[in-house]
Amino acid sequence: DIVMTQSPDSLAVPLDERATINCRSSQSVLYSSNNKNYLSWYQQKPGQPPKLLIYWASTRESGVPDRFSGSGSGTDFTLTISSLQAEDVAVYYCQQYFSTPTTFGGGTKVEIK
Amino acid sequence: EVQLLESGGGLIQPGGSLRLSCAASGFTFSTYAMYWVRQAPEKGLEWVSSFGGRGGGPDYADSVKGRFTISRDDSKNTLYLQMNSLRAEDTALYYCAKGGRDDSNFCYFDYWGQGTLVTVSS
Repeated sequence: DIVMTQSPDSLAVPLDERATINCRSSQSVLYSSNNKNYLSWYQQKPGQPPKLLIYWASTRESGVPDRFSGSGSGTDFTLTISSLQAEDVAVYYCQQYFSTPTTFGGGTKVEIK
Repeated sequence: EVQLLESGGGLIQPGGSLRLSCAASGFTFSTYAMYWVRQAPEKGLEWVSSFGGRGGGPDYADSVKGRFTISRDDSKNTLYLQMNSLRAEDTALYYCAKGGRDDSNFCYFDYWGQGTLVTVSS
């Protein structure tokens, strides 16, 4: 199984500042035949189901604010919130869908400082 | 509007059985792979099982293989999870999720239900 490791476990960022979450996979999730990284990001607010933010490592889901961006390739990925807003307080998860079983990172809790 | 509505959760004794359902609407159900993902209390996300679209088949996490059975009724736009020989470690909120691609089972999950809680305890 591909192990997904997120860092940090939690972070506190002032409003309007940048928040950066890292995700590392134990093996590459880049499929060479289509040059796509099989990596997605989700946001989960308390009491709610996860919400898809980013897929193919950097494609923003429709309706997701453009302050959220994804980057990286191969085994190292980053979710960046360019200007943290109060409504962004949540736990964020990465997921690989390169191979079965699909696996998730352990989550990163984002709070306001 | 895509909607996924889970039901069937509850309190069950160890060794017991439950059947979860997920009623889907707002998209061509038969086309997409569908998934069950669970979240134990205060824990992260764990994929449990999936059923491919377009006549695809089932797949299971090792932790539930041989105990859980996934199925789908495309005529009713409904996904099921038959859970047998339940253990305390199966206690979790069970989410139904829709695959984001209609051409592969290897995909992200673009819609999630609100979940149904399964508690295994004596």
